[in-house]
Amino acid sequence: KQEVTQIPAALSVPEGENLVLNCSFTDSAIYNLQWFRQDPGKGLTSLLLIQSSQREQTSGRLNASLDKSSGRSTLYIAASQPGDSATYLCAVRIPGNQFYFGTGTSLTVIP
Amino acid sequence: DTGVSQDPRHKITKRGQNVTFRCDPISEHNRLYWYRQTLGQGPEFLTYFQNEAQLEKSRLLSDRFSAERPKGSFSTLEIQRTEQGDSAMYLCASSRARGYYGYTFGSGTRLTVV
Repeated sequence: KQEVTQIPAALSVPEGENLVLNCSFTDSAIYNLQWFRQDPGKGLTSLLLIQSSQREQTSGRLNASLDKSSGRSTLYIAASQPGDSATYLCAVRIPGNQFYFGTGTSLTVIP
Repeated sequence: DTGVSQDPRHKITKRGQNVTFRCDPISEHNRLYWYRQTLGQGPEFLTYFQNEAQLEKSRLLSDRFSAERPKGSFSTLEIQRTEQGDSAMYLCASSRARGYYGYTFGSGTRLTVV
């Protein structure tokens, strides 16, 4: 069974810092990997989708990388802002079409 | 693209009552998924539909849970004889069928069983 792990579980940084969130998965047979943002009590908002054949995707201040062979992905957030405070979840889509989620990294950006 | 809609946003029910949630997916998405999320955890897969066919069910989906997607459009998730352990956020997502597409999630239904 696919297992997805996110480190750290929580992160607190001052505004303006660049930061990296980590995601690892145990089975490299994936279709894609998706990063989501979740605000407290809310649903999931998709941030970036990386196909298994891709190495990275960028959107604004966000950059996600994928190393399928080693089972790792990172989400890089540049110049963090208080509005970035949320929980960030990664999920891998496997053959059979389920997504497996990590438990998330709770990010707090301090003004 | 109006997004995935879920109704209601919040539901408080007494233990033993039945509840039903609704999900309206993005119209051109033929796959629809239900996930459950408890506090501090990532979402866990419950079931998914391709069009009107329910193709997979998790072992998390006990006999008290049933999901339908009549005519391949909206879906309902019913929980019978609710228990306190059913308290969670129930998330619906939709997707195109091919594996390289991602998911779009709704805002979820927060269920509290008292």
